[in-house]
Amino acid sequence: GAGVSQTPSNKVTEKGKYVELRCDPISGHTALYWYRQSLGQGPEFLIYFQGTGAADDSGLPNDRFFAVRPEGSVSTLKIQRTERGDSAVYLCASSLAQGAFNEQFFGPGTRLTVL
Amino acid sequence: AQTVTQSQPEMSVQEAETVTLSCTYDTSESDYYLFWYKQPPSRQMILVIRQEAYKQQNATENRFSVNFQKAAKSFSLKISDSQLGDAAMYFCAYTPFGNTPLVFGKGTRLSVIA
Repeated sequence: GAGVSQTPSNKVTEKGKYVELRCDPISGHTALYWYRQSLGQGPEFLIYFQGTGAADDSGLPNDRFFAVRPEGSVSTLKIQRTERGDSAVYLCASSLAQGAFNEQFFGPGTRLTVL
Repeated sequence: AQTVTQSQPEMSVQEAETVTLSCTYDTSESDYYLFWYKQPPSRQMILVIRQEAYKQQNATENRFSVNFQKAAKSFSLKISDSQLGDAAMYFCAYTPFGNTPLVFGKGTRLSVIA
């Protein structure tokens, strides 16, 4: 079956613009995670969905960042008034989230560049 | 707060040789999960191996094995018979519960020399 997909693969925008990044999880996976990976760093947690609701959004850096998952499948990460410091690779992962442990499967990420 | 530290920004190994990547972590939890992920230039994170803290036996997956020292909070990855395809960034990661966000280290870039 298909893995986690993310679109676009690359996004270049200007400072102050609004961007949306999309994540299509593996079919049937109820948990969905967003991470941000800055250059030379490991991924950092942003937000985690269980079904349609955000189970933990403590990693969102400020109120310019928002994510939704209205039907419990596809998720969109939205960034308002982008800043140059938002430039990073945004990774999405999904898992079954049943039982004690389920592997998180990652997508290829979206590289966001804010000029 | 839980933290994961990888003290080796870069490592290199000759093809067919063995290399060990280091990782330490800080947590007050008694049960948790530890992972090694591989990230090739394609950016896609691939799970290499995982260890449940309650299991004393070190995990192994083919050429990959770990040395888990719970008291020392150390979790190193050994790659045996290194291959050119092993060249990538390797990230150590931790989660206190099975289905919660991962905490990653900064990564170690592994080069394999032919």
